[in-house]
Amino acid sequence: AQKITQTQPGMFVQEKEAVTLDCTYDTSDPSYGLFWYKQPSSGEMIFLIYQGSYDQQNATEGRYSLNFQKARKSANLVISASQLGDSAMYFCAIRWGSTLGRLYFGRGTQLTVWP
Amino acid sequence: DTAVSQTPKYLVTQMGNDKSIKCEQNLGHDTMYWYKQDSKKFLKIMFSYNNKELIINETVPNRFSPKSPDKAHLNLHINSLELGDSAVYFCASSPGAGGNTGELFFGEGSRLTVL
Repeated sequence: AQKITQTQPGMFVQEKEAVTLDCTYDTSDPSYGLFWYKQPSSGEMIFLIYQGSYDQQNATEGRYSLNFQKARKSANLVISASQLGDSAMYFCAIRWGSTLGRLYFGRGTQLTVWP
Repeated sequence: DTAVSQTPKYLVTQMGNDKSIKCEQNLGHDTMYWYKQDSKKFLKIMFSYNNKELIINETVPNRFSPKSPDKAHLNLHINSLELGDSAVYFCASSPGAGGNTGELFFGEGSRLTVL
């Protein structure tokens, strides 16, 4: 069975520090995509970053970077210089094969940034 | 100018009733989706339409019937509502194939409460 796992239900980080949110996946499909989304308390889903399985370099978007370790099947999100506004639920998701938009989400990690 | 908009944002109704949620996107995307987020924040795909054609139906009860009058609209009708249908329903869209990542653009969600 193909699945995606976020083992940290909650994480705490002090403002201005970096934090890593874990995500592991299990697939036998060589072609897949990995996504991270942020859901603040207001409820909307905000796309953060994408990594394709064939991408040679780790994806980066501003303060977000994806630590992609293909052999370990992990796609951890690193947030540098945390801000209070980063407090939210973070979801890792995977797209298998070529069915675009068909994402399977992990259970999420609730990140709390404290001053 | 909202890219993916859903109405209503909140819906409270009695068991056994029938209700609809509407979704519209002005991004020119070919594909639209319904995702369900349960009380534990787990997000799961329900349906996907590509250019008005159903392409994904993730074992959703027959009481749920999506309808896509055109590629910019995807509505969700739910018959005989049950307590377990209480959730936040997200509409999303993505561009068609052709090199894109499959990133989803989400609406703000519609919170359905069944009493």
